[in-house]
Amino acid sequence: SAVISQKPSRDICQRGTSLTIQCQVDSQVTMMFWYRQQPGQSLTLIATANQGSEATYESGFVIDKFPISRPNLTFSTLTVSNMSPEDSSIYLCSVANTEAFFGQGTRLTVV
Amino acid sequence: GESVGLHLPTLSVQEGDNSIINCAYSNSASDYFIWYKQESGKGPQFIIDIRSNMDKRQGQRVTVLLNKTVKHLSLQIAATQPGDSAVYFCAENPRRSGNTPLVFGKGTRLSVIA
Repeated sequence: SAVISQKPSRDICQRGTSLTIQCQVDSQVTMMFWYRQQPGQSLTLIATANQGSEATYESGFVIDKFPISRPNLTFSTLTVSNMSPEDSSIYLCSVANTEAFFGQGTRLTVV
Repeated sequence: GESVGLHLPTLSVQEGDNSIINCAYSNSASDYFIWYKQESGKGPQFIIDIRSNMDKRQGQRVTVLLNKTVKHLSLQIAATQPGDSAVYFCAENPRRSGNTPLVFGKGTRLSVIA
């Protein structure tokens, strides 16, 4: 298993600003995943973050909007840039062996 | 594209009764399936998993059934308790390997009536 710490746990942000979410894992992992969970919906993969290379983004998500850093094997950040109310969601980081482990999520509200 | 989905978006169950949450998947190449529970304000938590070489797996009060013929997955919760109230997601690993992201179904909200 893995213990994943995410911060902030929640934030309320003004439109047009950016928020960086941090994810810390208690063990070294090759890949970390970032998901978005819009209100009342399931989890949608944003991107896969590998250490030492650029993140791989899923269809509908772009690096300019969701830049990701992966400076080492235990840490990653996701930035939500130039926010609009449509970005209001829960953002989750995850690591996986076969099953996936999740942080507690960051609940973002954009006003 | 292929996806994982659910038949029932909401389910209300009397305390003490058994709950059954269903999930349909369409990727015949998937060989690993997981059920997650998500309580309000928390990330998804692992409940139970099953590989495609099995059709049933039991845990504590939970059982997962896999029917590969009709590509159907179900989660059974015995003697449902108020603490079981949450959203439940099925997920599949479509690439038969670790370090790959899971594909999640839409989720079912389980409400337990005391």
